[in-house]
Amino acid sequence: KQEVTQIPAALSVPEGENLVLNCSFTDSAIYNLQWFRQDPGKGLTSLLLIQSSQREQTSGRLNASLDKSSGRSTLYIAASQPGDSATYLCAVRRYSSASKIIFGSGTRLSIRP
Amino acid sequence: EAGVTQFPSHSVIEKGQTVTLRCDPISGHDNLYWYRRVMGKEIKFLLHFVKESKQDESGMPNNRFLAERTGGTYSTLKVQPAELEDSGVYFCASSPQGGGEAFFGQGTRLTVV
Repeated sequence: KQEVTQIPAALSVPEGENLVLNCSFTDSAIYNLQWFRQDPGKGLTSLLLIQSSQREQTSGRLNASLDKSSGRSTLYIAASQPGDSATYLCAVRRYSSASKIIFGSGTRLSIRP
Repeated sequence: EAGVTQFPSHSVIEKGQTVTLRCDPISGHDNLYWYRRVMGKEIKFLLHFVKESKQDESGMPNNRFLAERTGGTYSTLKVQPAELEDSGVYFCASSPQGGGEAFFGQGTRLTVV
């Protein structure tokens, strides 16, 4: 059974710092891994999607890495801003691009001005 | 292009009542998913439609939950009768034929009192 764990559960850092969010999954046989952002009372916004054959993806100040063999992914946020405050969710798909997504419980990030 | 739309955004009902949630996927998306997040827990998969057919309903908690997708367009999720533990946020997502990135709706916050 695939399980996704995110550490830490909550993180508070001052504006401008670079930070890393961690995600681990128990079964390395994944199809892809996706990082989402959720703002309070809002839906999920996809940030980055990494296919199982890829090692990393970048979008602006965000960089996500994937080490499938060790069951780990990291989301790196450079030069953090107060607008980055949100809950960040890591999620994996097991078999195909249409199979269900399995989510971690998220990291609640707060950026202090 | 309109995204995934969910109705209502909030619903407060009494224990024992019936509630129906609706999801309008992105036009042309064959895959439609329901997920929910109960307080303090991770987002969990409920079921997956491919067009009007249930592809995977392994996450449905019990027979008080009934999902339909007549005509392969919008979907409804009915909870009858509702229990206190059904409270949470119900998300819908859709993706194109063959899979690919899933797009999520804003969610419906259900409170059973």
